[in-house]
Amino acid sequence: GESVGLHLPTLSVQEGDNSIINCAYSNSASDYFIWYKQESGKGPQFIIDIRSNMDKRQGQRVTVLLNKTVKHLSLQIAATQPGDSAVYFCAEKITGNQFYFGTGTSLTVIP
Amino acid sequence: GAVVSQHPSRVICKSGTSVKIECRSLDFQATTMFWYRQFPKQSLMLMATSNEGSKATYEQGVEKDKFLINHASLTLSTLTVTSAHPEDSSFYICSAHNAGSTSNQPQHFGDGTRLSIL
Repeated sequence: GESVGLHLPTLSVQEGDNSIINCAYSNSASDYFIWYKQESGKGPQFIIDIRSNMDKRQGQRVTVLLNKTVKHLSLQIAATQPGDSAVYFCAEKITGNQFYFGTGTSLTVIP
Repeated sequence: GAVVSQHPSRVICKSGTSVKIECRSLDFQATTMFWYRQFPKQSLMLMATSNEGSKATYEQGVEKDKFLINHASLTLSTLTVTSAHPEDSSFYICSAHNAGSTSNQPQHFGDGTRLSIL
């Protein structure tokens, strides 16, 4: 369901290290999930998506893992760069084209 | 492709003013657009679903008379915050779904409107 009123968890990583950002979702019927990146003062940008018939999907430097058993989603960023610093949200499809967003994680990359 | 433009990017106005925010899909048609509100260091909260040619669907707790939504064309939805008060100050973000796309496709977001009510 929707995460309301929760403050963002934070994650700090050294430049060049890998980052793992986690997300728990609530609706076992959700069949589509998206990771978005939001920079300060901007709208969310699409990073990668995954359908529920998959466990893993890879993009450029990013991998999304889906564990439907425990309703868990993760985003892995390889060789994290300063430009990756942002807030990352997972979103689950609820009905039709409607999505609910997770709490979000603020990623800070230390040069 | 799939660009969503939101205007204005920032509004500062006095309490009691009504403020209109526009959301346009620039290179695709959107039968459905979504309006979100985001408070500092919090997640996006879905306020309403805007449907072209019909009434918007509001989430529980969102006052439809306070947040008026109009979706008169396939490329434009507007959100009007009526008689805005300081507690309405927030970051309002719209997104749009490409009417020509298949199911399970991402929404495309505008860059948000920072609303500050004095």
